[in-house]
Amino acid sequence: DTEVTQTPKHLVMGMTNKKSLKCEQHMGHRAMYWYKQKAKKPPELMFVYSYEKLSINESVPSRFSPECPNSSLLNLHLHALQPEDSALYLCASSQVSGARQTQYFGPGTRLLVL
Amino acid sequence: GDSVTQMEGPVTLSEEAFLTINCTYTATGYPSLFWYVQYPGEGLQLLLKATKADDKGSNKGFEATYRKETTSFHLEKGSVQVSDSAVYFCALEIGQGAQKLVFGQGTRLTINP
Repeated sequence: DTEVTQTPKHLVMGMTNKKSLKCEQHMGHRAMYWYKQKAKKPPELMFVYSYEKLSINESVPSRFSPECPNSSLLNLHLHALQPEDSALYLCASSQVSGARQTQYFGPGTRLLVL
Repeated sequence: GDSVTQMEGPVTLSEEAFLTINCTYTATGYPSLFWYVQYPGEGLQLLLKATKADDKGSNKGFEATYRKETTSFHLEKGSVQVSDSAVYFCALEIGQGAQKLVFGQGTRLTINP
């Protein structure tokens, strides 16, 4: 099973709202990733967690706050977003040990900020 | 730095045509190479991968060979179907442990019946 699940599938929020995106995997992967994808563009890496610790933050604004409460779950907390943050947010997971690991992606959450 | 250059799209073919989508890369060392596919309204799905020179990845009739001498990983399929219509991303991995993927710009493929 190579499934990564994400909820919700769609989200509409105002600029003053607080919301959270959720990602879950049960493949025993210890690396989890958040990507942002704008229309007709490739995914852009936002954050990487390795063994539940934040290992990479690609200079993402603080209105995006990631959290990895356990090895299967990854959250992205959203607060005071801007309309330009509207995008498809993708979660992925992979093994950590050694190189040559494959990232498996979830279906994404399509976010609209009004 | 590390980068991936993909054939610009969009690409439109008729059903049963031969498909090639070009991908070349620049990297230090010998990264793993991937093709991901994204169907309309969905996330990315791994299509195939190769981890070392001369490896051939294959899946669902698609193939790509890791060519170190030409730094290429071109995607091919002998006979495309309407259901292959999607956006295709070539990518390389950098780093060890939790890896970073470097993506090409994507190629939108449309297959007409």
